[in-house]
Amino acid sequence: GESVGLHLPTLSVQEGDNSIINCAYSNSASDYFIWYKQESGKGPQFIIDIRSNMDKRQGQRVTVLLNKTVKHLSLQIAATQPGDSAVYFCAEENSGAGSYQLTFGKGTKLSVIP
Amino acid sequence: ETGVTQTPRHLVMGMTNKKSLKCEQHLGHNAMYWYKQSAKKPLELMFVYNFKEQTENNSVPSRFSPECPNSSHLFLHLHTLQPEDSALYLCASSHPGLADYNEQFFGPGTRLTVL
Repeated sequence: GESVGLHLPTLSVQEGDNSIINCAYSNSASDYFIWYKQESGKGPQFIIDIRSNMDKRQGQRVTVLLNKTVKHLSLQIAATQPGDSAVYFCAEENSGAGSYQLTFGKGTKLSVIP
Repeated sequence: ETGVTQTPRHLVMGMTNKKSLKCEQHLGHNAMYWYKQSAKKPLELMFVYNFKEQTENNSVPSRFSPECPNSSHLFLHLHTLQPEDSALYLCASSHPGLADYNEQFFGPGTRLTVL
């Protein structure tokens, strides 16, 4: 079946460095993508989203890049801080399907080394 | 209270017990969701309610019974659970139709342990 997946299950980054978390998706009909952050003991928290008519979107210290040609999504975190340590999930939606369902990847655990 | 709240935050139950999880959203959304999150697995969608009507049931065993009395409240009734049902149960809400896309807001989850 079609699913969203992640290239790496864990990522360790030195504090102050930039982090890049990757996501591959297989449903070419997906047109909306979200990155969520989940800290220990908490529910997923929305970070940033992007629609398929864009290839880049920036937020505060975060940038999402979308490459529809290779069905690849990435989350870049600038100047990574200890508070960024969490599991990051990508999720995709096919808005045309009318089901309003998100498909989630397994997640990448980001550890920030002080 | 703001956002999406869930109670209890932690629950330990025996296989013969009956318990209920509660979710409440304070965002004015009309769609609510139950997800199961197990270790090292993607979030699994269990149920979807849109305007109090169940629109999705992703082959969830009947020992899980959802209830949505109104657009702000969602329950998950549990009975005769198995140890493999131990997981984090997450509730989410969204407002599909407000925009073309469906950003979901999550609660903190209920950590369920079945003995």
